[in-house]
Amino acid sequence: GENVEQHPSTLSVQEGDSAVIKCTYSDSASNYFPWYKQELGKGPQLIIDIRSNVGEKKDQRIAVTLNKTAKHFSLHITETQPEDSAVYFCAAWGNAGNMLTFGGGTRLMVKP
Amino acid sequence: EPEVTQTPSHQVTQMGQEVILRCVPISNHLYFYWYRQILGQKVEFLVSFYNNEISEKSEIFDDQFSVERPDGSNFTLKIRSTKLEDSAMYFCASKLAGGQETQYFGPGTRLLVL
Repeated sequence: GENVEQHPSTLSVQEGDSAVIKCTYSDSASNYFPWYKQELGKGPQLIIDIRSNVGEKKDQRIAVTLNKTAKHFSLHITETQPEDSAVYFCAAWGNAGNMLTFGGGTRLMVKP
Repeated sequence: EPEVTQTPSHQVTQMGQEVILRCVPISNHLYFYWYRQILGQKVEFLVSFYNNEISEKSEIFDDQFSVERPDGSNFTLKIRSTKLEDSAMYFCASKLAGGQETQYFGPGTRLLVL
């Protein structure tokens, strides 16, 4: 089955700096890669996603890149703000199974 | 904006008791999911449900677990005889269609088995 690895597990940045979170996946058939933000006590909220026919996608301060050959994808947050502090999860969806496989999560702390 | 809702938000139960976790998916969605998250760990897939039947389940989803869509709006997860290791956050999710579609998650039910 699919295996998704996520790094780093914790990330601390100064407000205004950029943050990058990286994920690798194992199943070359995976074709959809969402990123979720989870605040304390809440469910995962989709912040951006990318499909395998696209190499990069941007939404304001958030961008995601995908390298299908290397089987990795990354989340980039620019001009970080304290409210960006949360746990971020990457996930992969493949045709092999009707399910999302999640990475281990990254706790992002943005220091004012 | 439509959202997935879950009840209760917290549930405390004794080991061996049955629990039912309830979810109301987004109204026009067709695919439904349960995931769990043990404290501090990753979100893990339990089961997917489509067209009134299970379409996929993980190794975690053993005979103690069952799902049901008893009416047009609710989607439930039942644990027949809870174990200590069932303590976790349980998330329901739904999506509109198959394939590369966004899954929307509910706020979760925190289950504590004593």
